[in-house]
Amino acid sequence: GQNIDQPTEMTATEGAIVQINCTYQTSGFNGLFWYQQHAGEAPTFLSYNVLDGLEEKGRFSSFLSRSKGYSYLLLKELQMKDSASYLCAVIDSNYQLIWGAGTKLIIKP
Amino acid sequence: EAGVTQFPSHSVIEKGLTVTLRCDPISGHDNLYWYRRVMGKEIKFLLHFVKESKQDESGMPNNRFLAERTGGTYSTLKVQPAELEDSGVYFCASSQSGGPSGDTQYFGPGTRLTVL
Repeated sequence: GQNIDQPTEMTATEGAIVQINCTYQTSGFNGLFWYQQHAGEAPTFLSYNVLDGLEEKGRFSSFLSRSKGYSYLLLKELQMKDSASYLCAVIDSNYQLIWGAGTKLIIKP
Repeated sequence: EAGVTQFPSHSVIEKGLTVTLRCDPISGHDNLYWYRRVMGKEIKFLLHFVKESKQDESGMPNNRFLAERTGGTYSTLKVQPAELEDSGVYFCASSQSGGPSGDTQYFGPGTRLTVL
């Protein structure tokens, strides 16, 4: 079966750095997305990785290792508004988006 | 540019009745997707339209669910008759291309469906 694992919840301090991990086992791989979702709102796009390595975009970076079936989202200089759920999603061989359950990130002052 | 819109934002209906959800994708996006998130579970794929054609409907849970996209613009998702387990948030997303480039899917705000 297809499976995407990420921690259920993480807590970090404002101004700090946090890394959210995602491991996946899917039938094929055509890329991995990270989305941010605030409570009651739609998921919004953060990053897309299809090749191994680190993609940096401002305070957010995303890393992919296809051989290990592993990705992480790195958030720097955390702000209170970063409190949200972070969803890892993989495009499988049928070009379907397979979702993880999301990681709820709590930022404390 | 307007984003993906969904209507209604909330719907509360009694078991056995019919509900129709609507999604308007971003203008010019040929690909339209429906997803569902049941309480406490991950988002699940329902189906994918390319223009007016159903490209993939393997995620549709059963024949009580009917999706249409007449004219390749907006889409509707009808649940008839609705059952308790259909409660959840129904998201719609659209993208310009649905191929191996992994084109970004832009999501609507979702419709929260509660079946009583």
